[in-house]
Amino acid sequence: QKEVEQNSGPLSVPEGAIASLNCTYSDRGSQSFFWYRQYSGKSPELIMSIYSNGDKEDGRFTAQLNKASQYVSLLIRDSQPSDSATYLCAMESGYSTLTFGKGTMLLVSP
Amino acid sequence: DADVTQTPRNRITKTGKRIMLECSQTKGHDRMYWYRQDPGLGLRLIYYSFDVKDINKGEISDGYSVSRQAQAKFSLSLESAIPNQTALYFCATSDLTGYENEQFFGPGTRLTVL
Repeated sequence: QKEVEQNSGPLSVPEGAIASLNCTYSDRGSQSFFWYRQYSGKSPELIMSIYSNGDKEDGRFTAQLNKASQYVSLLIRDSQPSDSATYLCAMESGYSTLTFGKGTMLLVSP
Repeated sequence: DADVTQTPRNRITKTGKRIMLECSQTKGHDRMYWYRQDPGLGLRLIYYSFDVKDINKGEISDGYSVSRQAQAKFSLSLESAIPNQTALYFCATSDLTGYENEQFFGPGTRLTVL
């Protein structure tokens, strides 16, 4: 069964710090990976997608992919209280469907 | 206007009732998905459709059915609702281009079955 594992948290960081969110996956054949942010009671919002090994940067966000280790991470620089949310990691799991992790809650304290 | 809309946004119903959740999109995407989200269980795929003539079961399709009325409309039905179908339901869309399969979510429907 294809799985995505995330630590449920909460991960607590002070404002201005770097938040590091991690995810491991079971399907070595997966090619595409995604990070979503979800505020409580709201819908998931796509932050980043990554397909190649290495880093991909977009503003304060950097996604990192290591296919050999089956590991995906999301770094948030200069964390803000507004970044407090649950972050969902997802992998493409065949036929254009996604398998989601259960999410990591991030708390950024002022 | 929102690209992906869902109606109703909130619904309380009773066990045994039939209920339909509707999703519409203006993104022009071919692919549409229905998920449910439960605390501690994450997002799980119920059904998905790649075009009007293509319907596929997801991880947890039992107790649900769908209809793709048009490219822009995808409905989820609970024929006889039961309390463990109480959840947050999301519709999503995607448009496969190259490697991309980014999915975009509607605002969700909070369903309570008493």
